Amino acid sequence: GAVVSQHPSWVICKSGTSVKIECRSLDFQATTMFWYRQFPKQSLMLMATSNEGSKATYEQGVEKDKFLINHASLTLSTLTVTSAHPEDSSFYICSARDTGVGETQYFGPGTRLLVL
Amino acid sequence: GQNIDQPTEMTATEGAIVQINCTYQTSGFNGLFWYQQHAGEAPTFLSYNVLDGLEEKGRFSSFLSRSKGYSYLLLKELQMKDSASYLCAVHQAGTALIFGKGTTLSVSS
Repeated sequence: GAVVSQHPSWVICKSGTSVKIECRSLDFQATTMFWYRQFPKQSLMLMATSNEGSKATYEQGVEKDKFLINHASLTLSTLTVTSAHPEDSSFYICSARDTGVGETQYFGPGTRLLVL
Repeated sequence: GQNIDQPTEMTATEGAIVQINCTYQTSGFNGLFWYQQHAGEAPTFLSYNVLDGLEEKGRFSSFLSRSKGYSYLLLKELQMKDSASYLCAVHQAGTALIFGKGTTLSVSS
């Protein structure tokens, strides 16, 4: 199946710093990628839809100035958590949509963010 | 509105068969996905149903009835490693998947 990578897998940072997370589709091109957040024992929460070459679409309640998304190529989307605070600590997961049959979304392995 | 329902938790024993149900009411429907998510890991793709009927893939099968807004994931010959959350997700054209809250399956020996 298609492979999506995420980097870093783990990050610990101080409050007030910015953290960038990369999501790459390794063996297919993805015009659309998605960013999710998941708190412990809760379901996936869609944060935003990232479209190559255009602005991301954010879900209600997600601050676009805090969670900056850039989708500069067909294989790379980045999420930058700006001025991170402890409440931003979470499991961030990206997915990339394969434009083939069914438009299957394949998930990256996730990034654990801990803000101290 | 959009609504996807699946049981919160299920338990079963090794070697048994378990069926995880999912009902949905969504404004659009192109197909239905099932994903498996182990604790602390990202979801992995299991199956995709577009047409009514049963799709079999090894120990896992998925069924869809579009007229009833219903799907199930059937797991046979359960193994301890099948303990995980199983996510039902509806695919609508051009949008993000709509996920259910997931069913946590615990397999005991």
